[in-house]
Amino acid sequence: GENVEQHPSTLSVQEGDSAVIKCTYSDSASNYFPWYKQELGKRPQLIIDIRSNVGEKKDQRIAVTLNKTAKHFSLHITETQPEDSAVYFCAASIPDRGSTLGRLYFGRGTQLTVWP
Amino acid sequence: DTEVTQTPKHLVMGMTNKKSLKCEQHMGHRAMYWYKQKAKKPPELMFVYSYEKLSINESVPSRFSPECPNSSLLNLHLHALQPEDSALYLCASSPIQGASDTQYFGPGTRLTVL
Repeated sequence: GENVEQHPSTLSVQEGDSAVIKCTYSDSASNYFPWYKQELGKRPQLIIDIRSNVGEKKDQRIAVTLNKTAKHFSLHITETQPEDSAVYFCAASIPDRGSTLGRLYFGRGTQLTVWP
Repeated sequence: DTEVTQTPKHLVMGMTNKKSLKCEQHMGHRAMYWYKQKAKKPPELMFVYSYEKLSINESVPSRFSPECPNSSLLNLHLHALQPEDSALYLCASSPIQGASDTQYFGPGTRLTVL
């Protein structure tokens, strides 16, 4: 199956600084890469995603880049705010054998802390 | 309705109890998922239903029994659980559009097994 590695496991930044979280995947068949933000005690919330036919996608302060050749993708958060503090999970979706379902393989998560 | 809902929010049960978790979505999604999440870990896939049929069972112990009565509802029946089964149980749904599906998560049920 797919193997998704995520780094760093913890990240502390000052408010206003940028934060970057990186993920690598192993299976070249993966074609969809979502990022989830999970605040303490809350549900994982999709914040941005990218598909394999796109190299970069931006939504206000959040951007994701994808390098299919190197099999890695990254989340970039600019002008961080204390409310960005949460655990961030990357994931890669690979078609499940014998079905049309995409199956998510998650990274281990990054605890982001933004200090005021 | 653009959300996945789950009930109850919290559940405490003994090892001999039988209980059920419920998940509902009204987005017309035809794939629904159960995940188990331990603290500070990513969600672990348990079951996937596609068009109300079980399509993936990740070798989950039989004390967890899923059920999909219709396209909007997903249940997880619990029986004879162990303390190590205590976790956040998340439901998710997706629209099935080829392989690139966006999964939307419910708020979860926090389960404690005594």
